[in-house]
Amino acid sequence: DVKVTQSSRYLVKRTGEKVFLECVQDMDHENMFWYRQDPGLGLRLIYFSYDVKMKEKGDIPEGYSVSREKKERFSLILESASTNQTSMYLCASSPQHDQPQHFGDGTRLSIL
Amino acid sequence: DQQVKQNSPSLSVQEGRISILNCDYTNSMFDYFLWYKKYPAEGPTFLISISSIKDKNEDGRFTVFLNKSAKHLSLHIVPSQPGDSAVYFCAARNQGAQKLVFGQGTRLTINP
Repeated sequence: DVKVTQSSRYLVKRTGEKVFLECVQDMDHENMFWYRQDPGLGLRLIYFSYDVKMKEKGDIPEGYSVSREKKERFSLILESASTNQTSMYLCASSPQHDQPQHFGDGTRLSIL
Repeated sequence: DQQVKQNSPSLSVQEGRISILNCDYTNSMFDYFLWYKKYPAEGPTFLISISSIKDKNEDGRFTVFLNKSAKHLSLHIVPSQPGDSAVYFCAARNQGAQKLVFGQGTRLTINP
């Protein structure tokens, strides 16, 4: 079974802090994704990566950056956290674009 | 600009009856569609998909129908069971792209 693990289930940070969200997958998938889920808006893509050190902007990349130094790990970085980044963050991976994405259980991030 | 829309935020169905969840899209370049199911405090799990070359795909109690001329997708669950109570997201992918576009989600409640 595919396992996508997000390092924290809940996280509370302060405005202006630099925040790191980590995601690891154990199935050697090429593609990895970061989404945020907000009520009434569904899942919105922040960034994705189709290979090590490669990244592509999604629909809402502003205020975020990502890092993929190893194939199994994809990090989401909030450079200077703001209250409007309070959300549920979901990481996903897939082997290739014809296959479904597999999701982690999410990190609920609160920015105070 | 919401390219994938789920216009019903919630749906309530009696156990044993059919549940029908609907999804509309605007981008005629979408060629692959998926349904995901999400329980609280868990990540979305893949349920069923359909390619644009088909108009129906069935997997056990779940059937997805695609009407390309109407740009409409539906998920039928029959018979509905209490464990089907969850939020359902439809998603679509552009030809040749890797990222998915998600709808807002529909909360399905199965009543005993």
